[in-house]
Amino acid sequence: EDQVTQSPEALRLQEGESSSLNCSYTVSGLRGLFWYRQDPGKGPEFLFTLYSAGEEKEKERLKATLTKKESFLHITAPKPEDSATYLCAVQATDTGTASKLTFGTGTRLQVTL
Amino acid sequence: EAQVTQNPRYLITVTGKKLTVTCSQNMNHEYMSWYRQDPGLGLRQIYYSMNVEVTDKGDVPEGYKVSRKEKRNFPLILESPSPNQTSLYFCASSLFRNGEQYFGPGTRLTVT
Repeated sequence: EDQVTQSPEALRLQEGESSSLNCSYTVSGLRGLFWYRQDPGKGPEFLFTLYSAGEEKEKERLKATLTKKESFLHITAPKPEDSATYLCAVQATDTGTASKLTFGTGTRLQVTL
Repeated sequence: EAQVTQNPRYLITVTGKKLTVTCSQNMNHEYMSWYRQDPGLGLRQIYYSMNVEVTDKGDVPEGYKVSRKEKRNFPLILESPSPNQTSLYFCASSLFRNGEQYFGPGTRLTVT
């Protein structure tokens, strides 16, 4: 069974204080690992897809990296507008024709002035 | 604007009263899914569809039905809702099987 574990559950940072969020996964074969951002009362918003170990992707203050067992979302010099819940999800190679994602429970990030 | 829309956004109903939550996307996506989100459990897939008239069960399909008669629409049907179906529901679509999914704004359902 595919599993995704995110840590920490919650993280409070001061503006400009860089940190990393962790996503550990167990999957028979990885087709893709996805990062989403979710604001309160809204649907998840796509950030990144990573397909193979060693891959990195960047967008503004966010950088996602992938190893064979985990992914990190690095946040550099965060701003208050980066406050949100960050979700990690995996898609396994044995999903056949499906587009099934297995999600973690998320890391709730709060960035204060 | 490319988007996934859901209606209604909020719904309070009573046990056993059939309801339908609509989902529509304007991106000509092949794949569509329904998820429910519960505290501590994350997002769990209910049903998915690979194309018109092609649907299959996700992780938590009990008590739900879906249909895909048109490419753009993927309604979620609760024939006899129960209190344990109180949740936040999201519809999502993607162009490719392993592509990023675009989520709707969510439907908060309360069953009393």
